[in-house]
Amino acid sequence: AQSVTQPDARVTVSEGASLQLRCKYSYSGTPYLFWYVQYPRQGLQLLLKYYSGDPVVQGVNGFEAEFIKSNSSFHLRKASVHWSDSAVYFCAASGYGNEKITFGAGTKLTIKP
Amino acid sequence: EAGVTQSPRYAVLQEGQAVSFWCDPISGHDTLYWYQQPRDQGPQLLVYFRDEAVIDNSQLPSDRFSAVRPKGTNSTLKIQSAKQGDTATYLCASRRDSYAEQFFGPGTRLTVL
Repeated sequence: AQSVTQPDARVTVSEGASLQLRCKYSYSGTPYLFWYVQYPRQGLQLLLKYYSGDPVVQGVNGFEAEFIKSNSSFHLRKASVHWSDSAVYFCAASGYGNEKITFGAGTKLTIKP
Repeated sequence: EAGVTQSPRYAVLQEGQAVSFWCDPISGHDTLYWYQQPRDQGPQLLVYFRDEAVIDNSQLPSDRFSAVRPKGTNSTLKIQSAKQGDTATYLCASRRDSYAEQFFGPGTRLTVL
């Protein structure tokens, strides 16, 4: 069965510190991979996506993620977080054609001053 | 370009009552999705359409939930007899064509008392 696992329900980091949010997937073949962000009472916004090619993909607001096929992982990183990065982050995957997306449970990120 | 719009933004019901959610996708997007997002969980696909046709409604509780997209533009999701377990945010998303990203609306937050 296809699944996406985000092992950390909550992460707290200090402003200015680096960040890594973990994501592992279980998918037949090579999936398309995504990170979305959800601010309070808003819909999901796409941060970045990986379809093929360079395994390190750049997204908006300084976020990046690395696809590691051998580890079935697609972790999200940021070198220096800002208080406005506080939100819930979802890792997601889909099969070829990007028809249906499977989401992880999400990681709630809190930035402390 | 206007984003995906949804109404109402909030709904509070007693068990057994009916409710309808409305979604207006981005103009020109042929594929429309409805997701259910329980509190502190990721979105879970309920049903999706390409134009006016239902492509997959396998996760829609068919005895109480229904969804239509009669002209291939706006869509309505209806819950006939709500249960407390239906308490969640209902998200609508649309996309232009195959391989394109999904764009999400702000959601309707439903509380069933």
